[in-house]
Amino acid sequence: DAKTTQPPSMDCAEGRAANLPCNHSTISGNEYVYWYRQIHSQGPQYIIHGLKNNETNEMASLIITEDRKSSTLILPHATLRDTAVYYCIVLDPNFGNEKLTFGTGTRLTIIP
Amino acid sequence: DAMVIQNPRYQVTQFGKPVTLSCSQTLNHNVMYWYQQKSSQAPKLLFHYYDKDFNNEADTPDNFQSRRPNTSFCFLDIRSPGLGDAAMYLCATKQGWPDTQYFGPGTRLTVL
Repeated sequence: DAKTTQPPSMDCAEGRAANLPCNHSTISGNEYVYWYRQIHSQGPQYIIHGLKNNETNEMASLIITEDRKSSTLILPHATLRDTAVYYCIVLDPNFGNEKLTFGTGTRLTIIP
Repeated sequence: DAMVIQNPRYQVTQFGKPVTLSCSQTLNHNVMYWYQQKSSQAPKLLFHYYDKDFNNEADTPDNFQSRRPNTSFCFLDIRSPGLGDAAMYLCATKQGWPDTQYFGPGTRLTVL
């Protein structure tokens, strides 16, 4: 699985959009970009994933560059409950590849 | 609504005294995982079951074993806990596409 690079920490004002970047320059054609987050003292939580196209769900939007070497997770209106560590993971979900390999992630702090 | 349940949430054991952590799921997922997360680190996969097939990570210590008696339950056995095994232990499940994992709240293990 391709490695990812994320900034170690970010702050965002409550109510503003939080934009979390992720570099995955060695991503291969079959690999998807997944985002999970982990709120303090809880298990990780799936947020969103994508292959090429931008994706949006009730939690967030995922913007993937055309060359797929980087992506941005967008939380459109951050709340204090969005304070967490956010993990960007690149994964080929073909049969037989069942593992998530977590990197160091980005610690996002939402400021009141 | 609980989907992945871990008991207990907090476990204290003595150095060298065997301990078992349990995980149950109501999702009927065929894949179950155990992760170890030490303080200020990312979760690290120990092993996983694909149905009854056990898959051990290469660097998982022999001290750690697992049992999956049926689809719903999975156990983590630590035969002789050392001080270095103090951590949060996370259980997760997955069922095929889109390859998202559902995590339990974790069991925090303290070794005295």
